[in-house]
Amino acid sequence: EAGVAQSPRYKIIEKRQSVAFWCNPISGHATLYWYQQILGQGPKLLIQFQNNGVVDDSQLPKDRFSAERLKGVDSTLKIQPAKLEDSAVYLCASSTPGGFWGYTFGSGTRLTVV
Amino acid sequence: AQRVTQPEKLLSVFKGAPVELKCNYSYSGSPELFWYVQYSRQRLQLLLRHISRESIKGFTADLNKGETSFHLKKPFAQEEDSAMYYCALSGGGGGNKLTFGTGTQLKVEL
Repeated sequence: EAGVAQSPRYKIIEKRQSVAFWCNPISGHATLYWYQQILGQGPKLLIQFQNNGVVDDSQLPKDRFSAERLKGVDSTLKIQPAKLEDSAVYLCASSTPGGFWGYTFGSGTRLTVV
Repeated sequence: AQRVTQPEKLLSVFKGAPVELKCNYSYSGSPELFWYVQYSRQRLQLLLRHISRESIKGFTADLNKGETSFHLKKPFAQEEDSAMYYCALSGGGGGNKLTFGTGTQLKVEL
């Protein structure tokens, strides 16, 4: 079974630039999550999708972050404009509804804002 | 609000020694608790969940609602157990949102 795919693996940008991350979940997983993991902290949920609808985006900084999952499969997370404090690993995960054993994380995208 | 606390950033033990990684939580309802592990250069993966009451790779964890704890234990540490361990909580309700602790780095020395 293919895992959760994310790209790019690494990205370095200057502050005030924009950046986008891509995630392809496991086939058949209706639920998709984006987490932000700042160095020395545990992952923090940014947004959760069920198919192409948003379930929870309460911790997404909506003034600069946006995410979409137009066809209920792939998802993109965008930051515009980036700030220094956005430097983190951005993790994508997917699961079947209620399926914690199928809750699978991608390798993440490491973003450095300079 | 839900919160997970892992008081130790680093735990160093010798091979064959017992291991206990501490986790305390704060949640007003009935949470589901999990332990995730991240080995070097690998992705985050589920180790065990309290509902299953299983032993995975020799690790066990018991949910203590009175002490709001979910400590991870293993009687004899192995070198391959060296990794980052995260305790996580879900409030249930079908949302599956996970709240993670800050993690504990376990280092097993020979």
